[in-house]
Amino acid sequence: GESVGLHLPTLSVQEGDNSIINCAYSNSASDYFIWYKQESGKGPQFIIDIRSNMDKRQGQRVTVLLNKTVKHLSLQIAATQPGDSAVYFCAEKSGGSYIPTFGRGTSLIVHP
Amino acid sequence: EAGVTQFPSHSVIEKGQTVTLRCDPISGHDNLYWYRRVMGKEIKFLLHFVKESKQDESGMPNNRFLAERTGGTYSTLKVQPAELEDSGVYFCASSLLGGGSGYTFGSGTRLTVV
Repeated sequence: GESVGLHLPTLSVQEGDNSIINCAYSNSASDYFIWYKQESGKGPQFIIDIRSNMDKRQGQRVTVLLNKTVKHLSLQIAATQPGDSAVYFCAEKSGGSYIPTFGRGTSLIVHP
Repeated sequence: EAGVTQFPSHSVIEKGQTVTLRCDPISGHDNLYWYRRVMGKEIKFLLHFVKESKQDESGMPNNRFLAERTGGTYSTLKVQPAELEDSGVYFCASSLLGGGSGYTFGSGTRLTVV
């Protein structure tokens, strides 16, 4: 959801539920999108990526959906586990750039 | 294979002091990146090295920040003099080729300026 000031968007779910984390991007020229997971005390870790010529990509328990019409990206986590608790960042990249642009992150809290 | 190593993990300094952060990338990774995350905000790009050369330093906030990568191995990021708004977590990442899935991030240095 929306957040104000310094508060990080937060999603709280029960263990076993499915989680959906959303991300809006602004650059219509972006052609490559990545989701990262950052656990406390660690750096961001690659989860899954998708190119703009696709609208869905599945990994192990994770699915990324891309809607280029409304510039929206989502990460779905099936059967969420306590170990999934982390901050999730979406990132976008365009053309031959080496530099992805990150969003501000969503905090996922999984309750046992 | 060792990952990206950052030192120190935490640093608390007074306004006006100098701090130097270090990043050791994965061996063989020519690309090295510095990012910063201020509390609750996005991870912002600072600069990108290819070997020892600065490929892109468009994200460096001002001339109080100086990054070096002598010899194309480890990199340092110096903040001098530090200001309160420099507080945040500084991440380093390295990659063989282009960014994205090839990035490996370090655990970051949490810098607190008081």
